[in-house]
Order: sequence, then C-alpha cells, then structure tokens
Amino acid sequence: QKEVEQDPGPLSVPEGAIVSLNCTYSNSAFQYFMWYRQYSRKGPELLMYTYSSGNKEDGRFTAQVDKSSKYISLFIRDSQPSDSATYLCATVLGDMRFGAGTRLTVKP
Amino acid sequence: NAGVTQTPKFRILKIGQSMTLQCTQDMNHNYMYWYRQDPGMGLKLIYYSVGAGITDKGEVPNGYNVSRSTTEDFPLRLELAAPSQTSVYFCASSDRNYNEQFFGPGTRLTVL
Repeated sequence: QKEVEQDPGPLSVPEGAIVSLNCTYSNSAFQYFMWYRQYSRKGPELLMYTYSSGNKEDGRFTAQVDKSSKYISLFIRDSQPSDSATYLCATVLGDMRFGAGTRLTVKP
Repeated sequence: NAGVTQTPKFRILKIGQSMTLQCTQDMNHNYMYWYRQDPGMGLKLIYYSVGAGITDKGEVPNGYNVSRSTTEDFPLRLELAAPSQTSVYFCASSDRNYNEQFFGPGTRLTVL
C-alpha cells in the first residue's frame, strides 16, 4: 500500500464548477498536509498548507483534513480555466511524501 | 531573488554517458532535495541534504550521486545513464523539513 494515494484522473469540469480533489494516507503519524499545484512543464508550487484536522480556506480554495479517516481534500469553488493543472497532495514524516497528482482541466 | 534554478532545461544522453544536473538556490535554505517525476507516478525523492556537507539517500537513489559543498548548490550526478533514468528531475529547497518546498523549473532528461 502506498503511503499517499491519489486518483490520477484526469478530471475535466466546466468553468464555474466545484471541484473536489482527494487523497488518502496510511500512516496516522503524518501531521502536516499540503497541496501543490503544478502547471504543465513547470515545477510544483505550494497552494495550501494545513497542520490540524478541519478546514482551511484561502479564496476559492478550501483544504480539508480528516485525521480519523486519514483523508485529505481540496475543494475549488467557481473553477476557472486558469485552474487547469496537476494537483499533488503531500504530507511530511521525515521527508515529504507526494501523491501521484490529479490532472484537472477546466473547460471554458 | 531567483529562487531555485536548474540547468540544463533539456538533455538527451546516450546509454552509458554521464552528466551532472545543476541546482542552485539563493534563499539560504538548509534543506535541499532532488526528485524525479515520471508520468502518473508523482514525485520520488532521490537524495536530500540538511546542510552543507550532509547528504542522505531518498526512496530511489540507485544510479545517482550528490554532493553539497555549499549551502547554495546541490548537484546531482548520473554516472552511467540508463533508459530507466529518462524522467523529469526537480530540485527543491526549504528552510525546515516540514515547511514549504520551493521547486526549480525542472530538467527533462532522455536516455537513448
């Protein structure tokens, strides 16, 4: 079992849709959770960072962590074509563990 | 600040050739990392360093070597290139191991 599991998609939605991206993890010792966004042919960049269970909101983006079920989510409201990218979940235990990434396309 | 820079952007190697991928950061970060990214596989850690003179293996170190003589530079060496090393290589840095990692633009390597 991989430490961090993420559905690679691809996921295609119309502009304005609510997007839900999800990951599960296996080790309850993980404490820090991140979402990175990676545009095509670019390096990943940090989008959201959360430490505890619950929700963290930043504009149209909401990161959610449920430690009891080892589940992390990223919600994008009012999705835009500029949100088209690959989204990677990540967590840290010693070194950072990344999910495989979900490729999202938002169609105008 | 330039952040994390990587050279070259692209490279084609023949089997058995060697090369060094360069990585430099100007944020005075102690932690530096090398990842490879294959389609559908996410980022795999090759090597990392917690400071000048200190390096350690990650998940997939075979076929690679690193050195860290300065805080700024963290080169990755491929000694005998193999087709399995065809990938996109990313260098990253952070000020602490649980903090945000800043990534370079990547090096696309093809081994034929």
